[in-house]
Amino acid sequence: EDQVTQSPEALRLQEGESSSLNCSYTVSGLRGLFWYRQDPGKGPEFLFTLYSAGEEKEKERLKATLTKKESFLHITAPKPEDSATYLCAVRGRKLIWGLGTSLAVNP
Amino acid sequence: DTEVTQTPKHLVMGMTNKKSLKCEQHMGHRAMYWYKQKAKKPPELMFVYSYEKLSINESVPSRFSPECPNSSLLNLHLHALQPEDSALYLCASSQLGSLDTQYFGPGTRLTVL
Repeated sequence: EDQVTQSPEALRLQEGESSSLNCSYTVSGLRGLFWYRQDPGKGPEFLFTLYSAGEEKEKERLKATLTKKESFLHITAPKPEDSATYLCAVRGRKLIWGLGTSLAVNP
Repeated sequence: DTEVTQTPKHLVMGMTNKKSLKCEQHMGHRAMYWYKQKAKKPPELMFVYSYEKLSINESVPSRFSPECPNSSLLNLHLHALQPEDSALYLCASSQLGSLDTQYFGPGTRLTVL
């Protein structure tokens, strides 16, 4: 059965303290892995799409990487405005969402 | 431009009311989606339109009725809803059917009294 698991469930960082969020998946025939950021009460904001193992993408303080079993979202020197829930979704036969990681960055 | 717009931002309705949610995109995307999201949960797919035709209905109750008048517009008609239908309703669109990246609108916060 296709499955997506995100960890940790919640993460609290100090401003400037780099860390990584994990999205592990079990899917037959990966057709794309998507990272979104969601602020409370708002729609998910697209961050990255990764299609194949070894692929990496960067945007400002964020870098997403992909292996055959998992993806990492690395956050370098985070700022308070990076506080949000980060959602991972994986497309196999269907698009399956993880439960998200709630990130809080303290000033 | 990757903007999907949704109206209204907030909606409060009684269980006997009829209301509609609207979604619009001008990115030339040919797939559009309705999702429902409850607090601290990921989005839950409701409907998919591909090339203006309903292609997926995830066993959604008939009190939710989608409509795609043209390639840029998507509506969700609501009738006789229940309090448990209160949620954030999200519209999304994508380029090439269901294979490509979905871009979401800001959502409509629906409260059913």
